[in-house]
Order: sequence, then C-alpha cells, then structure tokens
Amino acid sequence: DTGVSQNPRHKITKRGQNVTFRCDPISEHNRLYWYRQTLGQGPEFLTYFQNEAQLEKSRLLSDRFSAERPKGSFSTLEIQRTEQGDSAMYLCASNSPRSGANVLTFGAGSRLTVL
Amino acid sequence: AQRVTQPEKLLSVFKGAPVELKCNYSYSGSPELFWYVQYSRQRLQLLLRHISRESIKGFTADLNKGETSFHLKKPFAQEEDSAMYYCALRPGTNAGKSTFGDGTTLTVKP
Repeated sequence: DTGVSQNPRHKITKRGQNVTFRCDPISEHNRLYWYRQTLGQGPEFLTYFQNEAQLEKSRLLSDRFSAERPKGSFSTLEIQRTEQGDSAMYLCASNSPRSGANVLTFGAGSRLTVL
Repeated sequence: AQRVTQPEKLLSVFKGAPVELKCNYSYSGSPELFWYVQYSRQRLQLLLRHISRESIKGFTADLNKGETSFHLKKPFAQEEDSAMYYCALRPGTNAGKSTFGDGTTLTVKP
C-alpha cells in the first residue's frame, strides 16, 4: 500500500467538458474525503464517505459535482459542464476513526485547469 | 458553524530564532485541533494534534479554550521548517468534516 493515490495528477479541459477524478484510499481506511483547494486558500471540504455511504456533502457543491464510492473502496469525483471557476486542486484523503487511524492521510491531488 | 483563522499569510524568520504560527478558531463545542504541513513538492501531512500533546520536529501547540487558539511554536527554527502550515478543526473524534485555515507560509532564512 503506497498511501492515498489520485489520478490523473493533472487535467486540462475546455469549458463545458466533463471530467472525472479517481481516488484510491489506504485499503484499511473506511472513510474517504474530497477537498478542493484554490491558490492561497486552505483545503475546502466537499464531501465524505463512510464505506459506500455518502454521509455529508458541502452546500458549496453544485449539482454539477457528483461523487461515488460504489464498493466502499475507490471513489470518483465527476464534474459536469466544467466552468473556469472549477479550476483547482482536488484533494482526496482517507482515515479510519474506529481503528485509531483517525488523522487524515492525503493524496497528492489532481490539478484541474479549465480553459 | 466552524471556522479557522490563520492571520498571517507569510512569516519569515532567521534560522535559530523562535517562531509562532497563529491559529484561532470558532466553534461552540469541544473540537479537535490539528496542524498539517506541506513541504515543497510533497503532499499535505499531519504535523501534530492537540490530543497527543506531543512535540514533533521541535514543534508544540497548546489548545487554549479560553482564547480559542491553537498556536504552533518552535523555539529554534531550522531552514528545513520552511513550508506551508495549515491549522485544522474537527468537531469531534468521530466527526467527518474538518475545516482548514488558509495557511501560513513559513520561510526560515539562513
């Protein structure tokens, strides 16, 4: 296990296109989180899963954003009809409160540029 | 609502000088507080958490509930401490969402 893995690392797309990011958490972690980070700002919470259940979703997340974790392992974050304001680093993190691995372990992020 | 404020965007000190990175929070309950660090070209990682009450890489942080602060301190800064530091709050041990401050860029000059 090499930690939290995110793909792709970089994505450049044109406005209006759909993009999908994937996150593979640490295998024994049951929680998975998505954050967004723009220049000069800290990570901003988007949503999180416990196993396959999406337990919380930020009000900042518009209808164009959807996240899934179908089998409680990897997760995908899809952005439909991208806008220039979606340009950001999308961070994935995982943890497992019950097992004592309670702090967030972050991936390297997926950087999105919308032209 | 929970909020984390890091009043300094940039902080620059000389090697060997003391350093303090400020963090103030707003939350009505008893939160958990963390400091995360991001070194150049590396991913965000935990530096320390208030529950552990430990010193990591010479850094300490004390939770002051009266002042709602969790400042990060180190008595003698080293060049390798240069990084981006984020303070974060989580409402409780089992809570999901963590709220991050906007970070402080620390530069330690030789």
